[in-house]
Amino acid sequence: AQTVTQSQPEMSVQEAETVTLSCTYDTSENNYYLFWYKQPPSRQMILVIRQEAYKQQNATENRFSVNFQKAAKSFSLKISDSQLGDTAMYFCAFLRTTGANSKLTFGKGITLSVRP
Amino acid sequence: GAGVSQSPRYKVAKRGQDVALRCDPISGHVSLFWYQQALGQGPEFLTYFQNEAQLDKSGLPSDRFFAERPEGSVSTLKIQRTQQEDSAVYLCASSLADNYEQYFGPGTRLTVT
Repeated sequence: AQTVTQSQPEMSVQEAETVTLSCTYDTSENNYYLFWYKQPPSRQMILVIRQEAYKQQNATENRFSVNFQKAAKSFSLKISDSQLGDTAMYFCAFLRTTGANSKLTFGKGITLSVRP
Repeated sequence: GAGVSQSPRYKVAKRGQDVALRCDPISGHVSLFWYQQALGQGPEFLTYFQNEAQLDKSGLPSDRFFAERPEGSVSTLKIQRTQQEDSAVYLCASSLADNYEQYFGPGTRLTVT
């Protein structure tokens, strides 16, 4: 079974600054995906960024980038130039890619507040 | 096209009542998932369909929970004899196939009083 740990329950950042959200996971699988999802107060879960475990290069999507350390089983999210609209809960999630049933395993989430 | 839709968005049930939650996935998406999200927590897997076949229901917390997807499109999650501990947001997600990105609906917030 897989586990995903987000040990920081909440963080706060000043608008325009950079913040890093931490995530660690545990698995015996070699092939998997990792995701960061954003859930604003409206509760619609939105995919922020995705990383394939077989890729060494860290994924980047505009202001969002990850630091993927496979050996350490660490997957942090960096948000640059934080904006007020980034205020939300952020969930780290694991997806096994071998076999059927690609259910997501989520961490407990972190509440990010961007201060004006 | 439209995203994943769920109805109702909010449901209040008295303890002991039965409820039915509906999910309309993105057209053409083969895989459909139900998750339960308690307040302040991450979503937890309930069950999974590939077309009309329910391939995994290992996350359903009790036999009061039942899900179906009879024609491989719309899915219904039914909870019989609701209990207070069933209060949560129920999220539906669909994906094109296994191991593809999952798209989430807005959820149904169930409150059992």
